[in-house]
Amino acid sequence: NAGVMQNPRHLVRRRGQEARLRCSPMKGHSHVYWYRQLPEEGLKFMVYLQKENIIDESGMPKERFSAEFPKEGPSILRIQQVVRGDSAAYFCASSPPGHPSEVEKLFFGSGTQLSVL
Amino acid sequence: DAKTTQPTSMDCAEGRAANLPCNHSTISGNEYVYWYRQIHSQGPQYIIHGLKNNETNEMASLIITEDRKSSTLILPHATLRDTAVYYCIVRVASQGAQKLVFGQGTRLTINP
Repeated sequence: NAGVMQNPRHLVRRRGQEARLRCSPMKGHSHVYWYRQLPEEGLKFMVYLQKENIIDESGMPKERFSAEFPKEGPSILRIQQVVRGDSAAYFCASSPPGHPSEVEKLFFGSGTQLSVL
Repeated sequence: DAKTTQPTSMDCAEGRAANLPCNHSTISGNEYVYWYRQIHSQGPQYIIHGLKNNETNEMASLIITEDRKSSTLILPHATLRDTAVYYCIVRVASQGAQKLVFGQGTRLTINP
């Protein structure tokens, strides 16, 4: 039973380019969460999605960042016009179906390390 | 969510028990204590959680004081692979899992 799969593992972009990070949740999981970890800092929540719905995007920057979790395929975190400050590790997590308050634990992927030159 | 306080770093000898403390003196009655760890260059891994009773699973034991103001995560026989940053998190039971707030954690080094 494969875990949460994230790709690419490393992504290098020049300033102004777009970055697309993909996340396939564990089999049977319908909730996806994105977190960002800046160098030497803790993980910060960005967005929580269920299939075709954004449930909580309170941690998402207001501009350039977007996320989706389509009916078919992986969840995508998209960063437009990247800047050096976007360089970070981006982690995806998933959890089984159920009310958000009933989720006991998150299963994290290995992350995508984004480097902006 | 209640704020947690953990030591910045700890060392432990391989094969010995690693005891990681966490203070959460402002914890509310409906807040759980969670522990996650993050091995270098990997995503966080859930370890254990509890409300007020002590808990044990295949990875660790969680001891919560009677007043719930502090807790201790115990790795009974630490191995080199347990070297990681350990996060103690409190979370309101009724809130979604995305509300986990990861602080700076304790950097645990297991020495051979």
